[in-house]
Amino acid sequence: LAKTTQPISMDSYEGQEVNITCSHNNIATNDYITWYQQFPSQGPRFIIQGYKTKVTNEVASLFIPADRKSSTLSLPRVSLSDTAVYYCLVGDLRTGANNLFFGTGTRLTVIP
Amino acid sequence: NAGVTQTPKFRVLKTGQSMTLLCAQDMNHEYMYWYRQDPGMGLRLIHYSVGEGTTAKGEVPDGYNVSRLKKQNFLLGLESAAPSQTSVYFCASSSHRDNQNTEAFFGQGTRLTVV
Repeated sequence: LAKTTQPISMDSYEGQEVNITCSHNNIATNDYITWYQQFPSQGPRFIIQGYKTKVTNEVASLFIPADRKSSTLSLPRVSLSDTAVYYCLVGDLRTGANNLFFGTGTRLTVIP
Repeated sequence: NAGVTQTPKFRVLKTGQSMTLLCAQDMNHEYMYWYRQDPGMGLRLIHYSVGEGTTAKGEVPDGYNVSRLKKQNFLLGLESAAPSQTSVYFCASSSHRDNQNTEAFFGQGTRLTVV
């Protein structure tokens, strides 16, 4: 099971781009990288998922280098409503639920 | 389409009491999961199920039992509640049809206090 390492917390001003990096040195060949967002008193919500290179959706971008040992979640022009905990997960959901391992996440605080 | 629904949303139990948390999903997902989240912590997997009639232990299974009699429901039971089980419990489900690596959908959580 590939473990992940993320910063415990980050602060950012409104309107800035935020990049949260996740290290996963033991990522396996079939593993995907998935990011979730969790607001207080709510369940986590899927943000983005990727396998290699770059993935972009309406919410965020995910950058994955060629060696796949790390990944960076990029949130463009954050607002106060982006204050949340962000979790990086690595695993192959097709092979077992134990790959849905959340860790402690990164607490992002957006400052006015 | 309600997604993942957890019942109840709040509950206070006395030490030694029993209760069952219900999770229902209407997305025809194969996998279902129960997590607990303690203050300031990440989610820890308690039990999970890969299909109707099957369950497996996760990271912190002690003190809990589960059942998946119907595909859409996943029940989490506490036979004899302890204060250490005070937590927020989240249920989730995910699909693995067509061999796709898909996202998990979470319920809104059940806040349980054991006094």
